[in-house]
Amino acid sequence: GNSVTQMEGPVTLSEEAFLTINCTYTATGYPSLFWYVQYPGEGLQLLLKATKADDKGSNKGFEATYRKETTSFHLEKGSVQVSDSAVYFCALRRTGGFKTIFGAGTRLFVKA
Amino acid sequence: GAGVSQTPSNKVTEKGKYVELRCDPISGHTALYWYRQSLGQGPEFLIYFQGTGAADDSGLPNDRFFAVRPEGSVSTLKIQRTERGDSAVYLCASSPSSGSGTDTQYFGPGTRLTVL
Repeated sequence: GNSVTQMEGPVTLSEEAFLTINCTYTATGYPSLFWYVQYPGEGLQLLLKATKADDKGSNKGFEATYRKETTSFHLEKGSVQVSDSAVYFCALRRTGGFKTIFGAGTRLFVKA
Repeated sequence: GAGVSQTPSNKVTEKGKYVELRCDPISGHTALYWYRQSLGQGPEFLIYFQGTGAADDSGLPNDRFFAVRPEGSVSTLKIQRTERGDSAVYLCASSPSSGSGTDTQYFGPGTRLTVL
């Protein structure tokens, strides 16, 4: 079946450090891939998405590239800020589908 | 405009009781989803509505769980004979259309259910 595996947290970084959160997936066909973010006390928000192989999603300085050959969608940011502290979820949805399958989430702490 | 809203934000109940959780989707969104998020986990799909009908309820864990959307807008998730294992955050999401796979799903803030 379809599934998402992401690196366990928490991840603790200093401000301006480089961030990578790994995400790999298992799916039939060619799913759409998503990163969602949950800031403290807030609801889940879509951060970025990619709908086909080699697409790069980007938003707020975050990027992720849909890699079909490695079935990965790693999240990166060149310089994190304290305000990026949150839980990040990698997710997929199969083509034509509606059910979003989430990873377990990775908590990020950024220290000033 | 207004986002997805859910009420109540917190619900504490006793084992065996009945609870109802409400979701108000974004106006005009035809698709509505319920997810359940246990502590330290990602959300898990429960049910999907397209308009008034439940297009997929395969994620409902058992027959104690039921959801309705009688007028194609507001939805209610109903849990009978609650158990301690039902404690979780229940999330509602909506999207504009029938689910192309690329639609953005907009999530509400969730209802935190605690069963004592």
